[in-house]
Amino acid sequence: KAGVTQTPRYLIKTRGQQVTLSCSPISGHRSVSWYQQTPGQGLQFLFEYFSETQRNKGNFPGRFSGRQFSNSRSEMNVSTLELGDSALYLCASSSSIGRGTEAFFGQGTRLTVV
Amino acid sequence: AQKITQTQPGMFVQEKEAVTLDCTYDTSDPSYGLFWYKQPSSGEMIFLIYQGSYDQQNATEGRYSLNFQKARKSANLVISASQLGDSAMYFCAMRGGRGGSRLTFGEGTQLTVNP
Repeated sequence: KAGVTQTPRYLIKTRGQQVTLSCSPISGHRSVSWYQQTPGQGLQFLFEYFSETQRNKGNFPGRFSGRQFSNSRSEMNVSTLELGDSALYLCASSSSIGRGTEAFFGQGTRLTVV
Repeated sequence: AQKITQTQPGMFVQEKEAVTLDCTYDTSDPSYGLFWYKQPSSGEMIFLIYQGSYDQQNATEGRYSLNFQKARKSANLVISASQLGDSAMYFCAMRGGRGGSRLTFGEGTQLTVNP
């Protein structure tokens, strides 16, 4: 059974540009969540999608957006990139959105903004 | 607000010995889930073990066990017979309460296993 796949693994972008990150969850999983990890702020929740609907959103500016497709694949977009957006972006896949449901993570996309 | 606290920024252990990584949590919700993840330097978050708030017994998964003390709001991870490959960052996380299904993470503990 394939795990969570995130693409690309590494990205270098310039301030002001936009970027799109992709996440393919485990087959059969309908929930995808996104997290940002930085040395200063640790792991912070961005948003969660379940069956193409955003169910939960973290405290991030509107420059951060996402969507989920009918095949459960999800994309995250960041517009007008800032230096502070440099981070490891992790995607988590779950079979449902219950509190006891395990979340399995991908290897992450490491974004560097210069 | 929900909060996870890991008070040990770094821990050292000798190979083949056991080690306990501390985690305390704060929530007013009676229904929640507690998780431990391992993050090697490659960045991937690897699920280790889960404990539900209503589970009567402590969770175990191979060399990993979770020492769940509900009244103290603690969920410590115990790794038995440490191996060199256990060297990594370890995160405690919680799902439930006001956070709903989102995971709230602690600051992490960097574990180093010495030969």
